Amino acid sequence: ETGVTQTPRHLVMGMTNKKSLKCEQHLGHNAMYWYKQSAKKPLELMFVYSLEERVENNSVPSRFSPECPNSSHLFLHLHTLQPEDSALYLCASSQDRASGSSYEQYFGPGTRLTVT
Amino acid sequence: AQSVTQLDSQVPVFEEAPVELRCNYSSSVSVYLFWYVQYPNQGLQLLLKYTTGATLVKGINGFEAEFNKSQTSFHLRKPSVHISDTAEYFCAVSSGGYQKVTFGIGTKLQVIP
Repeated sequence: ETGVTQTPRHLVMGMTNKKSLKCEQHLGHNAMYWYKQSAKKPLELMFVYSLEERVENNSVPSRFSPECPNSSHLFLHLHTLQPEDSALYLCASSQDRASGSSYEQYFGPGTRLTVT
Repeated sequence: AQSVTQLDSQVPVFEEAPVELRCNYSSSVSVYLFWYVQYPNQGLQLLLKYTTGATLVKGINGFEAEFNKSQTSFHLRKPSVHISDTAEYFCAVSSGGYQKVTFGIGTKLQVIP
């Protein structure tokens, strides 16, 4: 595998379910991100991890819970979601600032989430 | 604070015609600028980036962009588009010693045969 991979690619869940999204990067990066992409809205940054520590949480509801066990893996745990949470969830990775990077991010293909 | 404005939500253009997708940014400090492309049912792919140096930046698939500091713009251009260029294009900015990247709302490029 190369680049950034995400599983599953599609997920349908009820409002009472618990599920997790998985992201893995094979680029040797040390920063990872979760974004939410909804129709007709800008990309919304949800969480940022740098060197496995959370550095930003953009006021995301607690029904979304991230986990970053190491620099290559990122999870998004979901529980008691609402229909408005239906969207494409994108994972990305980059080098962090200390590496002198220009911070370009590399994206996975996304998970299309539908909440029924 | 940093922000990005993409002035056109949709741009239709005939195949083999030139195209320009407009992007303006706002930032109080020096910036890094990016263009990404998203094909249907895929993630975002980096087309090109500006960091320092030459203001005309060339990217993949024949695209180029010019950084204009006085006009705070970073417009994307291609001299001759193909059907395969049909996609959504996102402009993004990173500035201020912070690794957060702010994305524009996107421009849908529709290439007409």
